[in-house]
Amino acid sequence: KNQVEQSPQSLIILEGKNCTLQCNYTVSPFSNLRWYKQDTGRGPVSLTIMTFSENTKSNGRYTATLDADTKQSSLHITASQLSDSASYICVVSHSSNTGKLIFGQGTTLQVKP
Amino acid sequence: EAGVAQSPRYKIIEKRQSVAFWCNPISGHATLYWYQQILGQGPKLLIQFQNNGVVDDSQLPKDRFSAERLKGVDSTLKIQPAKLEDSAVYLCASSSGQRTQETQYFGPGTRLLVL
Repeated sequence: KNQVEQSPQSLIILEGKNCTLQCNYTVSPFSNLRWYKQDTGRGPVSLTIMTFSENTKSNGRYTATLDADTKQSSLHITASQLSDSASYICVVSHSSNTGKLIFGQGTTLQVKP
Repeated sequence: EAGVAQSPRYKIIEKRQSVAFWCNPISGHATLYWYQQILGQGPKLLIQFQNNGVVDDSQLPKDRFSAERLKGVDSTLKIQPAKLEDSAVYLCASSSGQRTQETQYFGPGTRLLVL
């Protein structure tokens, strides 16, 4: 069964601290993996996308890693800001012609001053 | 570039009533998606259109949900009759194509509460 599992479910950190979110997937065959940020009351916005051959991808203070052998990904946030408070969703694309996405349940991050 | 537009933003109805949501994708995007996102969960695909044709509606509860994209541009999603478990955010997304590399751009969603 194609699944995406994220951990932790929720996380609270202090402003300025770093944090790492985890994603494990069983999707096969695999095409690519994305991390989306979803602010409260908004739609998800793409942060990074990685294909099978990529190990790391950065977008400002966000760095995503991918280990296709162990089917694990992580999203590292450096020097967190209050605006980083959001849900972070790991999304894996199945290698089909329809571009079907399989979503994780998300990690809710709260950054406190 | 204008984003994906959705309306209404919020809707409260009683069970057994009908409701419709509207989505206008990014101009030129051929592929349109409707997702249901229940609180605390990731989005679940309801239906995918390529232009005005349905690509995937395997998870659409067809006894009560319907969607159309008649002219291959904007789309409507209807629920008739609504149930309590339909309370969720309904997200519309669009992409320029349906290849797996294409990024999906999401609208702000319509938050539905069924009482």
